[in-house]
Amino acid sequence: KAGVTQTPRYLIKTRGQQVTLSCSPISGHRSVSWYQQTPGQGLQFLFEYFSETQRNKGNFPGRFSGRQFSNSRSEMNVSTLELGDSALYLCASSQVTSRGTDTQYFGPGTRLTVL
Amino acid sequence: AQSVTQLGSHVSVSEGALVLLRCNYSSSVPPYLFWYVQYPNQGLQLLLKYTSAATLVKGINGFEAEFKKSETSFHLTKPSAHMSDAAEYFCAGVGDKIIFGKGTRLHILP
Repeated sequence: KAGVTQTPRYLIKTRGQQVTLSCSPISGHRSVSWYQQTPGQGLQFLFEYFSETQRNKGNFPGRFSGRQFSNSRSEMNVSTLELGDSALYLCASSQVTSRGTDTQYFGPGTRLTVL
Repeated sequence: AQSVTQLGSHVSVSEGALVLLRCNYSSSVPPYLFWYVQYPNQGLQLLLKYTSAATLVKGINGFEAEFKKSETSFHLTKPSAHMSDAAEYFCAGVGDKIIFGKGTRLHILP
């Protein structure tokens, strides 16, 4: 079974631009979660999607948004990029939920650099 | 508030020595606890998870962790460190959302 894939792997943008990241979950997984990883803040939960609906959300500004398609693929969008948005963005999929005992499987991440 | 605390952002052990990575969770976090490992330029990989079935949990690559409710701890151990264990390790707890510790970078000394 193929793992979680994320595209692109690396991205360089300038302040004020917007960016869209893509995540394809493991086949059969319906939950997709997004995380931001930075050296200072560590791993922070952004949001979770299940069956095309946002089910859970972390403490990030409205510039961060996402969506999920009927095939469970998910996209994350960041508008009006700031320098502080430079991070590794990780996507994880699980069968049902990011909560409880479901195991989350992580993709390799997208490294976003904002100049 | 829910929290997961990892003691020590960096831990160094000699090859062949015992590995001990510490994790404490707040009592408000339900006992769904995980350890993940992250190798450079890769995503997180699950090492093991506690789901209340047994207090001693065995994971991959020879790692295990013991859930101690009285100490609110879920420390990760491995009897004998290998060079390939050098990586960053994350403890995570699951409540209404998943919360990660800050991570511990494990260095293996030859």
